[in-house]
Amino acid sequence: GENVGLHLPTLSVQEGDNSIINCAYSNSASDYFIWYKQESGKGPQFIIDIRSNMDKRQGQRVTVLLNKTVKHLSLQIAATQPGDSAVYFCAENSGSARQLTFGSGTQLTVLP
Amino acid sequence: DAGVIQSPRHEVTEMGQEVTLRCKLISGHNSLFWYRQTMMRGLELLIYFNNNVPIDDSGMPEDRFSAKMPNASFSTLKIQPSEPRDSAVYFCASSRPVGGTDTQYFGPGTRLTVL
Repeated sequence: GENVGLHLPTLSVQEGDNSIINCAYSNSASDYFIWYKQESGKGPQFIIDIRSNMDKRQGQRVTVLLNKTVKHLSLQIAATQPGDSAVYFCAENSGSARQLTFGSGTQLTVLP
Repeated sequence: DAGVIQSPRHEVTEMGQEVTLRCKLISGHNSLFWYRQTMMRGLELLIYFNNNVPIDDSGMPEDRFSAKMPNASFSTLKIQPSEPRDSAVYFCASSRPVGGTDTQYFGPGTRLTVL
């Protein structure tokens, strides 16, 4: 039968350019958000997080922006490098629940 | 400081056999999560524990799946009997909720193939 899998959004960028990965979340009660990076054959790796009382947080080469009005989260990677090639997941946590709800992921490919 | 440790990293077994996956939490963490990842369904939460107590097992697909935390630092996920559709990568993650944040740290995963 036909193999229907998840259709991951893809983003291809040139090495050295900036990357922007977007995520729409569903629960307006979510108050904590995380970006994970998953390289092939590895587990998801924590990149950066943000609480809902903030709209921007910066790390090393990465910035997360949160727009609660439209329930949108983005991850900006500055000066993208080949090692940044991976699938990036956003995750949201709402209220007292311990679970994280993960997005389907975006495949980032860095071109030489 | 060691991260989450999972074993085995790869498991190939025949349909009907029992499979046991193991996970060691990061020291000091008190929440443990088991996930399954496939191309078809992405990353799915199976069950999570807080302070050794199962809190939500609604993601466990069938009675063939069971998970335990015999102590505060170790967990097992058992599939008995295994079926080909159980083939996936199984991740465990641990966390220590602090101040309303709950960052989960993932292990390297166990790639399970059921023939």
